[in-house]
Amino acid sequence: ELKVEQNPLFLSMQEGKNYTIYCNYSTTSDRLYWYRQDPGKSLESLFVLLSNGAVKQEGRLMASLDTKARLSTLHITAAVHDLSATYFCAVDFTGTASKLTFGTGTRLQVTL
Amino acid sequence: DTAVSQTPKYLVTQMGNDKSIKCEQNLGHDTMYWYKQDSKKFLKIMFSYNNKELIINETVPNRFSPKSPDKAHLNLHINSLELGDSAVYFCASSAWGLGDTDTQYFGPGTRLTVL
Repeated sequence: ELKVEQNPLFLSMQEGKNYTIYCNYSTTSDRLYWYRQDPGKSLESLFVLLSNGAVKQEGRLMASLDTKARLSTLHITAAVHDLSATYFCAVDFTGTASKLTFGTGTRLQVTL
Repeated sequence: DTAVSQTPKYLVTQMGNDKSIKCEQNLGHDTMYWYKQDSKKFLKIMFSYNNKELIINETVPNRFSPKSPDKAHLNLHINSLELGDSAVYFCASSAWGLGDTDTQYFGPGTRLTVL
């Protein structure tokens, strides 16, 4: 069965702290996506990771992909309140970029 | 200009009714999708169309029927609505293929409430 699991499901962190969200998936893939969703809003694409060892950074967020371990991480550096949202990873198991299997989501709450 | 738009944004209806949700994208993409997000925020693909052709049809009840009149539009018609259909439905689009920047762009969502 194709599965994508994220942990933690909920993360409360203080401003200025660092933390990592983990995304594990069940079978071979080298295409992984990270999205952000604000409450009541749509999904916004953050990163596209297309190969083993891929690393991408945007502001305080950095995503990486280890296809051998079937693991992606989303690292948050010096969190700020504006990063509060739900973060989803999604894996393309088809190799055609046409079907994404989403993780359970990690709800991030950054407190002052 | 909105890249992926959906109408309506909210839909409240009685059990047993038939309703439609419309989706349009102006990104020039050739692949469009419907997703369902349940109350626990879990997102699951329902359908995917490439160049007006159905390519993904997950185990969705046949009360749900997608229609793609052209590459820029993908509508979702739901017959005989049930309580369990209450969810947020997202439309998305992408370019077909394995480009480095290919990702799916999501619409604003339609919150469907079945009473």
